[in-house]
Amino acid sequence: KAGVTQTPRYLIKTRGQQVTLSCSPISGHRSVSWYQQTPGQGLQFLFEYFSETQRNKGNFPGRFSGRQFSNSRSEMNVSTLELGDSALYLCASSLEQAARTGEQFFGPGTRLTVL
Amino acid sequence: AQKVTQAQTEISVVEKEDVTLDCVYETRDTTYYLFWYKQPPSGELVFLIRRNSFDEQNEISGRYSWNFQKSTSSFNFTITASQVVDSAVYFCALSHISSGSARQLTFGSGTQLTVLP
Repeated sequence: KAGVTQTPRYLIKTRGQQVTLSCSPISGHRSVSWYQQTPGQGLQFLFEYFSETQRNKGNFPGRFSGRQFSNSRSEMNVSTLELGDSALYLCASSLEQAARTGEQFFGPGTRLTVL
Repeated sequence: AQKVTQAQTEISVVEKEDVTLDCVYETRDTTYYLFWYKQPPSGELVFLIRRNSFDEQNEISGRYSWNFQKSTSSFNFTITASQVVDSAVYFCALSHISSGSARQLTFGSGTQLTVLP
C-alpha cells in the first residue's frame, strides 16, 4: 500500500505570496491532519479533516486554511506569507477509528521557505 | 492544558550502548493515548508505539521497550544495544481526547539521538 504523499516536497516563496500544499492519504483513509514543524515552536497541530469537513483546528491565524476533497485528498493554503511561516508542513492520514486512538501515518512533509 | 516535556534535547551514545529517552506529560483527560514517533533526516514521522491510559503494562518490541508509569506521568523509551541507524529525532506525543478527536496530538520538543560507531 502506498504511503502518504505530499507535494511539492520543497517550496520557496517570498513574503506576501500565498501557497498551496497538497496531501494524498493512504488509500482507504478518510481523515487528514496537518501539522507545522519549526525549530522554535516544534510540531504544532494545524487542522483535521474528515469526509470533507474540518473537525478540529489548532491555534493558528486565519491565513492558514485547508480543505478536503471527495477522494480524501487535502490541500492547505497559507495566504500573505510571513517569514515565520517557513517550516516543514506534515500531513497525516488515518482511519475513522483513529478518532478514538489517534493512530496516524505521516507523509514526508513539504519544506516551505519564505524569503 | 496539555503538555509533553522531553527534557533531553540531545543524547549521544556509542553503538551497542543502551539509551533511555524520557517523556513526561500533563493532561486533564482521564482517557488518553501516548505515542512515540521517530523522525529520521528525511523528515517523515515514523510511528513506533501507541499506549492507552488504561494499559500500564510495559512493552518490548525487539530492541525497543517502553515504560509507562501513570503515577509519575511518564512514558519512557529505551533502546537496547543501540545502532547507528537509530540516530534520529524521537518525539513523544499525547492525544487530545477532550478536543473531540484523538488525532489532535500534542508533541514534545523531541530528543536528538546520535549513535556513534
